[in-house]
Amino acid sequence: QQQVKQSPQSLIVQKGGISIINCAYENTAFDYFPWYQQFPGKGPALLIAIRPDVSEKKEGRFTISFNKSAKQFSLHIMDSQPGDSATYFCAASIFSGGYNKLIFGAGTRLAVHP
Amino acid sequence: SQTIHQWPATLVQPVGSPLSLECTVEGTSNPNLYWYRQAAGRGLQLLFYSVGIGQISSEVPQNLSASRPQDRQFILSSKKLLLSDSGFYLCAWSVRGRDRDSPLHFGNGTRLTVT
Repeated sequence: QQQVKQSPQSLIVQKGGISIINCAYENTAFDYFPWYQQFPGKGPALLIAIRPDVSEKKEGRFTISFNKSAKQFSLHIMDSQPGDSATYFCAASIFSGGYNKLIFGAGTRLAVHP
Repeated sequence: SQTIHQWPATLVQPVGSPLSLECTVEGTSNPNLYWYRQAAGRGLQLLFYSVGIGQISSEVPQNLSASRPQDRQFILSSKKLLLSDSGFYLCAWSVRGRDRDSPLHFGNGTRLTVT
């Protein structure tokens, strides 16, 4: 019940195309859903995040869509660029043991071809 | 601004040898601190977290231990490394307290290879 399932495992998109990564969860106690972007040899960095009382959040070319009833959320990257090539992790957060516990998906390796 | 330092960046150690990875945070006080391990294709697994000096909680029983001797210092250790300890180890921090929007800030990790 603490898992976050992420798909696809890898994704190839042409420059200018739309990249879509999906995540699903079971635990309805999760109350914060961030996405992290990781470049090779670096630590993950927060990209964008959403709360469950919002159905969509957009920041530049990045959009999170959130479906509370289906317990699913997704990341859309519009006009994908080669510089977006990285591994993307979705996560879900629950407050437990005095801190916000993040459960991560397994990651999606995105390659944007020029 | 806040920064997080991890070292070393890469490490090759023989089986049975000890391990000490260090992480320090600058520019903030009383952070929550975390150690994660990242295995290929398996996402990030939380190993330890700390909400204060000397307060360590373990998420996964294993061959590793953690310590927090100072407010902004977090150390990951092992007395005897196993082959299965190989991986990418990430230290992270977040603002302490009940702030559901408080993100994790990761260091650049240590690539550990146990031979």
